[in-house]
Amino acid sequence: GESVGLHLPTLSVQEGDNSIINCAYSNSASDYFIWYKQESGKGPQFIIDIRSNMDKRQGQRVTVLLNKTVKHLSLQIAATQPGDSAVYFCAEWDLNAGNMLTFGGGTRLMVKP
Amino acid sequence: DVKVTQSSRYLVKRTGEKVFLECVQDMDHENMFWYRQDPGLGLRLIYFSYDVKMKEKGDIPEGYSVSREKKERFSLILESASTNQTSMYLCASKPWDSYEQYFGPGTRLTVT
Repeated sequence: GESVGLHLPTLSVQEGDNSIINCAYSNSASDYFIWYKQESGKGPQFIIDIRSNMDKRQGQRVTVLLNKTVKHLSLQIAATQPGDSAVYFCAEWDLNAGNMLTFGGGTRLMVKP
Repeated sequence: DVKVTQSSRYLVKRTGEKVFLECVQDMDHENMFWYRQDPGLGLRLIYFSYDVKMKEKGDIPEGYSVSREKKERFSLILESASTNQTSMYLCASKPWDSYEQYFGPGTRLTVT
């Protein structure tokens, strides 16, 4: 059998559709939340961040939503393109907890042409 | 353009060998990090360094050591490689006053 935690959640979307990738975080004291994109064979790259006193932040084709009540973060990608296929990680940063990022497990986004 | 480089993209070593993974950043960042990445487990912090000759254990330091003799270079050492250290290893750096970490391309290490 397969063990829990060894498989990456996968989201499959059609090219041109919108994608929503979700992340639950644990530390209610985190100051910033960041989304990283990791393409195959590459290191993670920064996409967008949001401060804890904000609910929404928009970038180019991406929007991050923060719901502190339920400790939930989402990344929305508009008009998903094949180049968006990657693994997406959320990370949280608590200035008072060692100045380090804590990463989520990641979600694999697959874009079908 | 910011740049973090790692000495090897792919590495195959035998059980018991001593393994060195090198990371260099050209951004004059104070902080440097070593992570390992395994499917479904995300990024787990092995060691980090606040400055030259300073090092701190992360979440999974067992079986690893590090060296930071120069600001731009952070080395990860596997004293005696074991098969459970087969993984993707990622190096990152950041300035002391920012949360954004810049990652290298990773080294995929296989221990046979």
